[in-house]
Amino acid sequence: KQEVTQIPAALSVPEGENLVLNCSFTDSAIYNLQWFRQDPGKGLTSLLLIQSSQREQTSGRLNASLDKSSGRSTLYIAASQPGDSATYLCASPRGPMDTGRRALTFGSGTRLQVQP
Amino acid sequence: GAVVSQHPSWVICKSGTSVKIECRSLDFQATTMFWYRQFPKQSLMLMATSNEGSKATYEQGVEKDKFLINHASLTLSTLTVTSAHPEDSSFYICSANELTGLSSYEQYFGPGTRLTVT
Repeated sequence: KQEVTQIPAALSVPEGENLVLNCSFTDSAIYNLQWFRQDPGKGLTSLLLIQSSQREQTSGRLNASLDKSSGRSTLYIAASQPGDSATYLCASPRGPMDTGRRALTFGSGTRLQVQP
Repeated sequence: GAVVSQHPSWVICKSGTSVKIECRSLDFQATTMFWYRQFPKQSLMLMATSNEGSKATYEQGVEKDKFLINHASLTLSTLTVTSAHPEDSSFYICSANELTGLSSYEQYFGPGTRLTVT
């Protein structure tokens, strides 16, 4: 059974700083890993999806990496802005994808505050 | 990309009443949808897997008689919270899978429903 953890739980940085959010998972036989953003009281916005065969994905100022051997994924945010303030969640399918229907196991999230 | 909607976005009800939440996949078919619950300052926890045309599968500790799930079509799943109590107040989010070109299944999430039981 996949377990996902995230550190740190909270992070406050000044505007313009580059930062890294960490995600760890227990089952290296991972099928994919997804990073989400959640604003207070809102739903999830999918940021990046890394397939098991990939090592990283990039979208704008965001770059996510996947290292299956170490059980880690990182989300790198370049030149942070106050608008990046939100909770960031990583998640992975709970088990085998043979049916393509597996729910996600979520980390506890990192609450990011970017100070103007 | 694929869009999942939820209705209502928020609801306030009195203790003892029932509330129905709808989850729809707008531009794709979903034989399976998932229902999650999120308490304040906590992460999402899977409640149940909704299977079109068959019974839902519930996670350990989730009362199937309290959280009724119906998945009558390929685009609609409903979650009914029966005899709601204040401890059921939470953020309920549904999701559905879409097959991507790389044969891996990306999940698309609804915007969530905030339930407050008074």
